[in-house]
Amino acid sequence: NAGVTQTPKFRILKIGQSMTLQCTQDMNHNYMYWYRQDPGMGLKLIYYSVGAGITDKGEVPNGYNVSRSTTEDFPLRLELAAPSQTSVYFCASTMTPGTSGGDEQYFGPGTRLTVT
Amino acid sequence: GESVGLHLPTLSVQEGDNSIINCAYSNSASDYFIWYKQESGKGPQFIIDIRSNMDKRQGQRVTVLLNKTVKHLSLQIAATQPGDSAVYFCAEQGGSEKLVFGKGTKLTVNP
Repeated sequence: NAGVTQTPKFRILKIGQSMTLQCTQDMNHNYMYWYRQDPGMGLKLIYYSVGAGITDKGEVPNGYNVSRSTTEDFPLRLELAAPSQTSVYFCASTMTPGTSGGDEQYFGPGTRLTVT
Repeated sequence: GESVGLHLPTLSVQEGDNSIINCAYSNSASDYFIWYKQESGKGPQFIIDIRSNMDKRQGQRVTVLLNKTVKHLSLQIAATQPGDSAVYFCAEQGGSEKLVFGKGTKLTVNP
């Protein structure tokens, strides 16, 4: 298994531009998450999904949108990029919490985004 | 609300020593806790987890201790190696699908 993959690895955006961060997992996990991590800080949840067709807001959803049309993919959309969205973005997935195998989230390698 | 914090932002140890990284949590309803390791430029990597019906769990060179009375979690790394240098995060989960992460502790292992 490739696990959780994210593209692109790096991106520089101008203020007002839009982009989609891609996330794919091949572990047949129902739950997927998007986090942002600012320098020297922990992870903050942006959006999450408990299954295809279902999404919900996390702690910091403003300025972002998500969709979940398949189990494998969970793209994150930035419509009007702002400097405050400069951060490293991590996608994660997990099996349904409470099922066998544990609830740990598997993380992708991250996308480093700079908005100038 | 839910929150997880760490007592120390940085920890420096000598190679071969044991390391102890601490974490405080505030949600008494949390029933699942995880420690992650994050190396520079990489995503968090699962180390070990523990459920609230346990006080201690051991892995390879790592031990997690949970004290529900004072809402405290710790990660012990035995015989710390240079490859253990990273930022360590604790995370808690209680009654929802979401993990709440602490700010992290940066562990530096000196040769």
